[in-house]
Amino acid sequence: GAVVSQHPSWVICKSGTSVKIECRSLDFQATTMFWYRQFPKQSLMLMATSNEGSKATYEQGVEKDKFLINHASLTLSTLTVTSAHPEDSSFYICSARGTRTSTGELFFGEGSRLTVL
Amino acid sequence: GEDVEQSLFLSVREGDSSVINCTYTDSSSTYLYWYKQEPGAGLQLLTYIFSNMDMKQDQRLTVLLNKKDKHLSLRIADTQTGDSAIYFCAESVSGFQKLVFGTGTRLLVSP
Repeated sequence: GAVVSQHPSWVICKSGTSVKIECRSLDFQATTMFWYRQFPKQSLMLMATSNEGSKATYEQGVEKDKFLINHASLTLSTLTVTSAHPEDSSFYICSARGTRTSTGELFFGEGSRLTVL
Repeated sequence: GEDVEQSLFLSVREGDSSVINCTYTDSSSTYLYWYKQEPGAGLQLLTYIFSNMDMKQDQRLTVLLNKKDKHLSLRIADTQTGDSAIYFCAESVSGFQKLVFGTGTRLLVSP
């Protein structure tokens, strides 16, 4: 099956710093990548949809200046949490959809746990 | 709006069958999916069903779809302790533009 890799898998940072999370599709090209946020014991909340070569589409209530998304190539999307605060601590998961899918399924990364002190 | 609901918790004994239920709201969903999430990990696609199908079987997994009632279920036969995880159903909305996930069902399999 298709493999999506996220890095780092966990990160601890000080309040006010910025953190970048990478999402890579390893064995397929992904025109669309999605970034989700998951709080403990809750479902996934879609933050934004990222299309290669264009600006990300953010869901309502998600601050685009806070969560910067770049999808510079067909295999890489990055999420930068700028000026992180403790309330940004969460599990961030990316997913990717292949260019040739006919069933629309998403393949997920392993997730990145962010802890802001 | 889109809303996908699941029961929060299910406990079964090893060897029994597990049935996880899901209701969704978008009648135009083309595909519906079941994902599995183990602790601290991403989501793993288990199976999916096209909206014009009633049933799909894949080894120990059986998916039933009642499109009229917008009800989806996942049956796991001969449940094993390794099946303990959170299971999410998801529906595709706006074509394939995005997936909306259910609240997740935590399955606990005891020996």
